[in-house]
Amino acid sequence: KAGVTQTPRYLIKTRGQQVTLSCSPISGHRSVSWYQQTPGQGLQFLFEYFSETQRNKGNFPGRFSGRQFSNSRSEMNVSTLELGDSALYLCASTLLAGGDTQYFGPGTRLTVL
Amino acid sequence: QQQVKQSPQSLIVQKGGISIINCAYENTAFDYFPWYQQFPGKGPALLIAIRPDVSEKKEGRFTISFNKSAKQFSLHIMDSQPGDSATYFCAASMLGNQFYFGTGTSLTVIP
Repeated sequence: KAGVTQTPRYLIKTRGQQVTLSCSPISGHRSVSWYQQTPGQGLQFLFEYFSETQRNKGNFPGRFSGRQFSNSRSEMNVSTLELGDSALYLCASTLLAGGDTQYFGPGTRLTVL
Repeated sequence: QQQVKQSPQSLIVQKGGISIINCAYENTAFDYFPWYQQFPGKGPALLIAIRPDVSEKKEGRFTISFNKSAKQFSLHIMDSQPGDSATYFCAASMLGNQFYFGTGTSLTVIP
């Protein structure tokens, strides 16, 4: 089975721009979670989607949003980028909502200049 | 508020030695405690996990020790190898809700 794929792998943007990241979960997995990873902060939970509905949301500003499509693929969007948004954005898929075993993709490295 | 606190931030161990990473949590409702291993350029991968109804779980060279009363759990890597050099994250979740991760431990195993 193919693993979790994330595109693009690297992005460079400037402050004020917006960005869209994509995640394709493992085939058959219906839940997708997004995390922001920065040095010293570890992984910070952004949100979880299941069956096209946001199930949980972390403590991030409204500039961070996401959605899930009927094929379980998910996108996250960050508007009005700030320097502090530079991070590795990870997507994880689980078979069902609240599934214990999360499978992570390789991440998208976002650099904001 | 950091729900899961992890220490140390970095660890250097000789080949063949024991690596020990500790985590402490606040919320007694947490019911699932996984450890993840992350290599540079890769996403975290599940290494081993435990539920609070057992005090220890062993898989190969990796062991989780769980102390419910102290709200602590730890990862022990026996006979540490240079290939174990990676960043390790502990995490906790409850009732299938969001995961809370520790800040990570960078492990270096020197030959």
